[in-house]
Amino acid sequence: GAGVSQTPSNKVTEKGKYVELRCDPISGHTALYWYRQSLGQGPEFLIYFQGTGAADDSGLPNDRFFAVRPEGSVSTLKIQRTERGDSAVYLCASSLNRGWTGELFFGEGSRLTVL
Amino acid sequence: GESVGLHLPTLSVQEGDNSIINCAYSNSASDYFIWYKQESGKGPQFIIDIRSNMDKRQGQRVTVLLNKTVKHLSLQIAATQPGDSAVYFCAESPAYNAGNMLTFGGGTRLMVKP
Repeated sequence: GAGVSQTPSNKVTEKGKYVELRCDPISGHTALYWYRQSLGQGPEFLIYFQGTGAADDSGLPNDRFFAVRPEGSVSTLKIQRTERGDSAVYLCASSLNRGWTGELFFGEGSRLTVL
Repeated sequence: GESVGLHLPTLSVQEGDNSIINCAYSNSASDYFIWYKQESGKGPQFIIDIRSNMDKRQGQRVTVLLNKTVKHLSLQIAATQPGDSAVYFCAESPAYNAGNMLTFGGGTRLMVKP
């Protein structure tokens, strides 16, 4: 498709389990971002990739969260030992390059529910 | 996706009227500001942006105003339509070419009455 694709759209898991969320950015977009959005709030920055490398991971809340982008395209956000407070919509966005901050193209998000 | 904005401030307007959505930003050093629209179950969608060296910028039916003195940003929508119903977020960035971390505000739900 033409847009940012995220899978799964919904994920329900139990506390303590491991989850992976996948993002397929728009073809040719070198910059990729992960944000987290809790109910009734604006998105919060997690991590930013430029190509294969994480250029800024200052938003990751703790070491249970990790993200990779091994080939500079698809990215996976990994959450270990999930907690109920991790429940949120995880949004992925991509952009053509580093310079055009505003023109981020967001996916529809992966809704994570930790029971 | 999940519905957002269940506990957000709400602005209700009549179709055809003009809407004004306000945002107070936090960082006086922010250089770049963006408005996003988010419909239920979807990701945020870019509407319009403005750099700190400007105080007004116009797009199609939308205008963004920036008042750096009081750290205030507003989005004006002319002739509001039912399709404008959504949650609107302002976002700030430390620099135009920061390329990474946007700080989003809390959002305002716009409801358009036919």
